[in-house]
Amino acid sequence: KAGVTQTPRYLIKTRGQQVTLSCSPISGHRSVSWYQQTPGQGLQFLFEYFSETQRNKGNFPGRFSGRQFSNSRSEMNVSTLELGDSALYLCASSFPDYQETQYFGPGTRLLVL
Amino acid sequence: AQTVTQSQPEMSVQEAETVTLSCTYDTSESDYYLFWYKQPPSRQMILVIRQEAYKQQNATENRFSVNFQKAAKSFSLKISDSQLGDAAMYFCAYRSATYGNKLVFGAGTILRVKS
Repeated sequence: KAGVTQTPRYLIKTRGQQVTLSCSPISGHRSVSWYQQTPGQGLQFLFEYFSETQRNKGNFPGRFSGRQFSNSRSEMNVSTLELGDSALYLCASSFPDYQETQYFGPGTRLLVL
Repeated sequence: AQTVTQSQPEMSVQEAETVTLSCTYDTSESDYYLFWYKQPPSRQMILVIRQEAYKQQNATENRFSVNFQKAAKSFSLKISDSQLGDAAMYFCAYRSATYGNKLVFGAGTILRVKS
């Protein structure tokens, strides 16, 4: 089976712009979660989507949003980018059962200038 | 809120030797899952091992094993016969059994393997 894929892998934006990141889960996986990784804050949970609905949300401002499509692919959007949004954004997928393990994609490296 | 603490920012081990990475967590829940993930320089997060809190038996996966002490809220990872490919950042993570797929991560431990 193909693993979790994320596009693009690298992105450079300027302050004030917006960005959309994409995640395609492992075939059959219906839950997609997003995490932000920075040197200062470590790994932090952004949100989780299942069956096109947000099921869990972390403590991030409203500038961070996401959605999931009927084929389980997910996108996250960050509006009005700030320098502090520079990070590695990781997507993870799993079966919807809470007992299942999450498998991560390679991440999207976002640099905000 | 649950927290995960990894008190060792960095560890070193000689090739073929054994190393133990420490992790403690804080939770009021009785049912949960614990994980060790490995993140090599490529940044791809890879699952190493997982433990269900309701299982008393410690999980093992080839050269990797855990020492799960539920009462002490401790979850250490032992790597036996260390290999150069084991060099990476290791993250301990907690997930509730009832509140969805949110993983709470520790700060990570960098493992260096010396040849």
